[in-house]
Amino acid sequence: DGGITQSPKYLFRKEGQNVTLSCEQNLNHDAMYWYRQDPGQGLRLIYYSQIVNDFQKGDIAEGYSVSREKKESFPLTVTSAQKNPTAFYLCASRKQGYSNQPQHFGDGTRLSIL
Amino acid sequence: GQNIDQPTEMTATEGAIVQINCTYQTSGFNGLFWYQQHAGEAPTFLSYNVLDGLEEKGRFSSFLSRSKGYSYLLLKELQMKDSASYLCAVRDDSNYQLIWGAGTKLIIKP
Repeated sequence: DGGITQSPKYLFRKEGQNVTLSCEQNLNHDAMYWYRQDPGQGLRLIYYSQIVNDFQKGDIAEGYSVSREKKESFPLTVTSAQKNPTAFYLCASRKQGYSNQPQHFGDGTRLSIL
Repeated sequence: GQNIDQPTEMTATEGAIVQINCTYQTSGFNGLFWYQQHAGEAPTFLSYNVLDGLEEKGRFSSFLSRSKGYSYLLLKELQMKDSASYLCAVRDDSNYQLIWGAGTKLIIKP
């Protein structure tokens, strides 16, 4: 079945450590997105990519980095510069070219500080 | 600025009907999406509106008025499994990215 796979489901970060969240999709979608979800707030866009080897900053990119070397993969690194990383991280993908196409989400990664 | 407002929480009874409202103020508009999100899970797509009017999909319907910056999601014949958060999102036509409301937590009581 086609879908989006995020791993790990739970992740713990130590002070000063970088951690990488995996996102893989087999939907053949061009566009991929990373969101952060905090209690009581809407999803906030961290980074997005509309094509391989290209990506753009979202509203809260500071302290995060991404790469898009393959169409299927869009990993997110939470760097030590992100001082408040505890959140639920969601990866999404979308078929480009049709305005009615929704974003499809993975099951999320919950990141906590040790 | 960009703003999307939804009620924080609503309570309804199993078998009843509930309407979840969403008002938006955005610099551009290229469609409105509704998603359902159960606690700790991924959001799943429910509906899309880009023209004024009502879109019906089984027990769920969604309405849009672009002139009023207003949408609602109507859920009929409520079931316990409908207990979830409902997220409203508007696509901004300046960059085609989604602007998300904080979501409405719907509690269904027997």
